[in-house]
Amino acid sequence: NAGVTQTPKFQVLKTGQSMTLQCAQDMNHEYMSWYRQDPGMGLRLIHYSVGAGITDQGEVPNGYNVSRSTTEDFPLRLLSAAPSQTSVYFCASSQGGPQFFGPGTRLTVL
Amino acid sequence: QQQVKQSPQSLIVQKGGISIINCAYENTAFDYFPWYQQFPGKGPALLIAIRPDVSEKKEGRFTISFNKSAKQFSLHIMDSQPGDSATYFCAASKGAAGNKLTFGGGTRVLVKP
Repeated sequence: NAGVTQTPKFQVLKTGQSMTLQCAQDMNHEYMSWYRQDPGMGLRLIHYSVGAGITDQGEVPNGYNVSRSTTEDFPLRLLSAAPSQTSVYFCASSQGGPQFFGPGTRLTVL
Repeated sequence: QQQVKQSPQSLIVQKGGISIINCAYENTAFDYFPWYQQFPGKGPALLIAIRPDVSEKKEGRFTISFNKSAKQFSLHIMDSQPGDSATYFCAASKGAAGNKLTFGGGTRVLVKP
């Protein structure tokens, strides 16, 4: 099992550009989530999904969209990137137990 | 407003010493309290977790102490090793274990040989 995979590992965007961060898991987990990690603030929940076709907002959802068309994939979309979205993004999955995190995507918005 | 407050932000401990990290929470609905360990360039990994019906849980050199009345919990790393050098996060959630985690700000631990 590859576990939770994320692509790309690094990305640089210009303000106003859009992009999609990819997340996939091969553990057949129902629950998937996206967090952003900023220095001194820990990880903050952006969006989560409790199953295919079901998504909901977390603590910091503004500027991000998600969809869950399959159990395996949970992409995060930045519609119009802003410098405040410079962060490390982590995807996680679980099945009623502890969350397993991916390796992260480091995003810089200039 | 951070619902889970973690301290200290960083600490240095000698090999063989004890590392202690403290967390305090506000939401009394929280019923699952995990600790995550993160190495540079990696995602967080679950280290140990506790529920409020017990006051202490030990796994190897790692122990969680939980004080429900004070709304505080702590991680003790006994006999700290250089390989324990990492960032540690406390977290909390309610309902299903591990869902919708609220994290503390993190503690960077450096174990000197």
